[in-house]
Amino acid sequence: QSALTQPASVSGSPGQSITISCTGTSSDVGGYNYVSWYQQHPGKAPKLMIYEVSNRPSGVSNRFSGSKSGNTASLTISGLQAEDEADYYCSSYTSSSSYVFGTGTKVTVL
Amino acid sequence: EVQLVESGGGLVQPGGSLRLSCAASGFTFSSYWMHWVRQAPGKGLVWVSRINSDGRSTTYADSVKGRFTISRDNAKNTLYLQMNSLRAEDTAVYYCARDSRAFDPWGQGTLVTVSS
Repeated sequence: QSALTQPASVSGSPGQSITISCTGTSSDVGGYNYVSWYQQHPGKAPKLMIYEVSNRPSGVSNRFSGSKSGNTASLTISGLQAEDEADYYCSSYTSSSSYVFGTGTKVTVL
Repeated sequence: EVQLVESGGGLVQPGGSLRLSCAASGFTFSSYWMHWVRQAPGKGLVWVSRINSDGRSTTYADSVKGRFTISRDNAKNTLYLQMNSLRAEDTAVYYCARDSRAFDPWGQGTLVTVSS
């Protein structure tokens, strides 16, 4: 199972909005609504930010939102803040009854 | 508070074995599927394996199939990963995670280093 494709890096100024894409195939992202997003700060464990494409767990800021179109899912961070600087990973369930993560995106707040 | 704590990592020679544990607390462990995910130094997340709530159904990534075995002891609220025939490319931080419609939460991870 090949990793889902994410941009290596995305940057934005404080207050701006950024979007991270996550491209897979009809066997993963396009075939199921089991896409989730994770935030990981250096040296820390990943934290769930979005589940089932667009649902936000309790405690996660409403500045984070998710969507999907075809084989591509997206995570949007609005009102970018310094604390959002981290690595972000998408994940999807697959037709092989397994899971696959994205290649990861480093978000930099300028 | 829901908590997952991994242990058992360390330095092992190529071809060796290691068993990781993940102690769960703060929730009804026996009701949840569980996963292992790993992250090589400086690299991305890679899903390794999952087990259903009663331990009777397991799935593995192709890269570890036949070498790793996931299991659980619901009486002890503990998840395990038995790793055999270890290779240098298995070097990573290994995380356990609960399946709550996604991977949530995650443990702090335990480092496995395969080197001679």
